[in-house]
Amino acid sequence: DTGVSQDPRHKITKRGQNVTFRCDPISEHNRLYWYRQTLGQGPEFLTYFQNEAQLEKSRLLSDRFSAERPKGSFSTLEIQRTEQGDSAMYLCASSLGTQAFFGQGTRLTVV
Amino acid sequence: AQSVTQPDIHITVSEGASLELRCNYSYGATPYLFWYVQSPGQGLQLLLKYFSGDTLVQGIKGFEAEFKRSQSSFNLRKPSVHWSDAAEYFCAVGFDQTGANNLFFGTGTRLTVIP
Repeated sequence: DTGVSQDPRHKITKRGQNVTFRCDPISEHNRLYWYRQTLGQGPEFLTYFQNEAQLEKSRLLSDRFSAERPKGSFSTLEIQRTEQGDSAMYLCASSLGTQAFFGQGTRLTVV
Repeated sequence: AQSVTQPDIHITVSEGASLELRCNYSYGATPYLFWYVQSPGQGLQLLLKYFSGDTLVQGIKGFEAEFKRSQSSFNLRKPSVHWSDAAEYFCAVGFDQTGANNLFFGTGTRLTVIP
């Protein structure tokens, strides 16, 4: 499968723990995006990479959140000291031209 | 306030009937416009997008959308709905052509298709 891959698909964690998600974009896609989607809402933009450079960050990306794309290929999104409000679906997308392709997401539940 | 509004939370249509999903936006400048579909367990899939030019845009799966500047609207239409069209539909706006940078999504419209 050559689509956007996200791992894990589901994560349950206790409040206060750190979690890390991984996104593998479509090969050769130089742009990568992270979004968050809570129940009953549309996705909300978190951050955007072009190659390894993080070019845009939303105000939603608090200091507990950090995203990296060290070699311009896969990306990780880390949430430190998780809170119940972090429970959501975290979506990754990639693009080369003007069309982005989304992965199936990582569903995070903070208990 | 800047916003993307999808006024219909849930729509039910019969298979074979026509469909129109509404989307209105409120921004100072005219944004780029997108419609995405999200099926259970699936990622968001781009149906169509409008950047400029012809205001009637054709997309995948038989969908089309019309941009009306005077109404700040970008409604999605399909002449004959199939059972496989049951999903959540999101309208989104953006301000560059990179793909998915800083898109603002509406809250979505859930489509149910009855036999």
